[in-house]
Amino acid sequence: DSGVTQTPKHLITATGQRVTLRCSPRSGDLSVYWYQQSLDQGLQFLIQYYNGEERAKGNILERFSAQQFPDLHSELNLSSLELGDSALYFCASSVALWGTSDNEQFFGPGTRLTVL
Amino acid sequence: GNSVTQMEGPVTLSEEAFLTINCTYTATGYPSLFWYVQYPGEGLQLLLKATKADDKGSNKGFEATYRKETTSFHLEKGSVQVSDSAVYFCALRIYSNAGGTSYGKLTFGQGTILTVHP
Repeated sequence: DSGVTQTPKHLITATGQRVTLRCSPRSGDLSVYWYQQSLDQGLQFLIQYYNGEERAKGNILERFSAQQFPDLHSELNLSSLELGDSALYFCASSVALWGTSDNEQFFGPGTRLTVL
Repeated sequence: GNSVTQMEGPVTLSEEAFLTINCTYTATGYPSLFWYVQYPGEGLQLLLKATKADDKGSNKGFEATYRKETTSFHLEKGSVQVSDSAVYFCALRIYSNAGGTSYGKLTFGQGTILTVHP
């Protein structure tokens, strides 16, 4: 158990809908990262928050947005869903902001999103 | 940009066989290198890491050496077990200071599925 929790575990929805994925980081971790794992794109970085502020963006679509709340949990919002958004979405957390060698990222179990 | 290339899988081995999963990278700057493992139905777990050239990461019988001259970080294990069956990801991370944009994000290879038979 990494200490990172994600809900829900599975999500099935229809095209055009909007969903929210939730992540609770490990106690004491200030950074939260979101990654998407799909068959065609592999595992890719979406966005990072640190202590409530957005700090880095990757290949995140404009239909997707995220935020980190004062209690440090984070939510990833996916809207106008398309079939191609079906994927496993991982959240990871780490203590610090920078990519230093001791700033290990711990991954949650993921949320599997299926868009029908 | 930064990228990681892993050998294509899947890889199927018998128990006690020798394992090699190749990984090469392209990076600006000096990356840290990682191997993550994903067991069925679970999230990614850090298996081992190396932060500078010639470093060897090791854990649970797995090893990988950071080779700057060949930009490689191949994963090896001398004798695999059925319980090693999983998906293995090679990844890199660039340290970024103020003004950078990486802030520690991981760049992953495509993953290699390993199946070990008794």
